[in-house]
Amino acid sequence: LAKTTQPISMDSYEGQEVNITCSHNNIATNDYITWYQQFPSQGPRFIIQGYKTKVTNEVASLFIPADRKSSTLSLPRVSLSDTAVYYCLVGAYNDYKLSFGAGTTVTVRA
Amino acid sequence: SAVISQKPSRDICQRGTSLTIQCQVDSQVTMMFWYRQQPGQSLTLIATANQGSEATYESGFVIDKFPISRPNLTFSTLTVSNMSPEDSSIYLCSVEIGASGPETQYFGPGTRLLVL
Repeated sequence: LAKTTQPISMDSYEGQEVNITCSHNNIATNDYITWYQQFPSQGPRFIIQGYKTKVTNEVASLFIPADRKSSTLSLPRVSLSDTAVYYCLVGAYNDYKLSFGAGTTVTVRA
Repeated sequence: SAVISQKPSRDICQRGTSLTIQCQVDSQVTMMFWYRQQPGQSLTLIATANQGSEATYESGFVIDKFPISRPNLTFSTLTVSNMSPEDSSIYLCSVEIGASGPETQYFGPGTRLLVL
């Protein structure tokens, strides 16, 4: 499993865009990049997944450069309810053994 | 997606006792997983539970300490045996939905365990 590195914490204010960058320098050719969100006292929730370029859904966007050695999760116009821990995971297709790193604690302030 | 429930949601137990945690899914799934999340830490996979076969444990976790049952495609239990304060954690089950495509898992709300 490719190791990931992401910032321990980030602070933001309501209405701002939050960008969390994850480094995965040893990502393999068949690895996908997946982000999970975990609110206090809840299990992680799948946010978004991608292989290359850009992926967007109703929650977030995921930007992956051509070399795939990093990825950036973008949360548009955050609100207080986006305060959570965000995990970046890298794993192969159907590699069910998820490896969670330390995650990034995002705190959104009013 | 899937709706996953766990029972109990939290418990306080005495050392030396055992607690069985239940995980119920609203659809049939082949693979279910059990994780532990120690206070302030990330998630660690304990074992994989497939229906009809013995659970597969990760390094550092053994069946005698964490016996798992998987009687059908919608249910699993994890027992934390002979508990000590070090077992105080959140225990989460998850399921894999969609056999084709990149891996995504859906998690239950977790069981918060405090061992005194």
